[in-house]
Amino acid sequence: DQQVKQNSPSLSVQEGRISILNCDYTNSMFDYFLWYKKYPAEGPTFLISISSIKDKNEDGRFTVFLNKSAKHLSLHIVPSQPGDSAVYFCAAVSDKIIFGKGTRLHILP
Amino acid sequence: NAGVMQNPRHLVRRRGQEARLRCSPMKGHSHVYWYRQLPEEGLKFMVYLQKENIIDESGMPKERFSAEFPKEGPSILRIQQVVRGDSAAYFCASSPVGLPIATNEKLFFGSGTQLSVL
Repeated sequence: DQQVKQNSPSLSVQEGRISILNCDYTNSMFDYFLWYKKYPAEGPTFLISISSIKDKNEDGRFTVFLNKSAKHLSLHIVPSQPGDSAVYFCAAVSDKIIFGKGTRLHILP
Repeated sequence: NAGVMQNPRHLVRRRGQEARLRCSPMKGHSHVYWYRQLPEEGLKFMVYLQKENIIDESGMPKERFSAEFPKEGPSILRIQQVVRGDSAAYFCASSPVGLPIATNEKLFFGSGTQLSVL
């Protein structure tokens, strides 16, 4: 029973364009949400978070949008850079932190 | 200020042997979480510990798996009588406060231990 779903296993985006990674969740009790980035053979590193009382949080090239009524959040990266190629995990926080399966982002030159 | 340290980075075991995975949290962090990543899968929660206490082990298999976080020393994830299906990357994370954590807190992850069972 997946409470956090990332339905796109992979995504390819041209360098300089916008990357949009999506995440859906089922539990309306989640307090807030996190995005992590993971390179091969490394641990996940924190990218950006958003509280359930907000609908947008921005940090440089990264913006996370939250639509509570749709139980959906998205991560926007603009402009996309080669170093953004990685696996991105969406996570939701309540009494535990539950991760999605991840989306592998390829930035094309 | 060293990050979360996990060792070994790679561990090879034969079926039936025991695997011990170690995790030293960041300095000042007293909350540790273990996650498992199977090939082509996401990070699956296993267990959440505070010093000397298991807070939530709802993600741990009922048999062969155990975890501890003693007063002194690293957290240990122990897998007895390993089977091929235990092959995975095991990640440890730490935080300064426990769940539910505030919006300005986050988990810091180690680089993981890749367990291969032959």
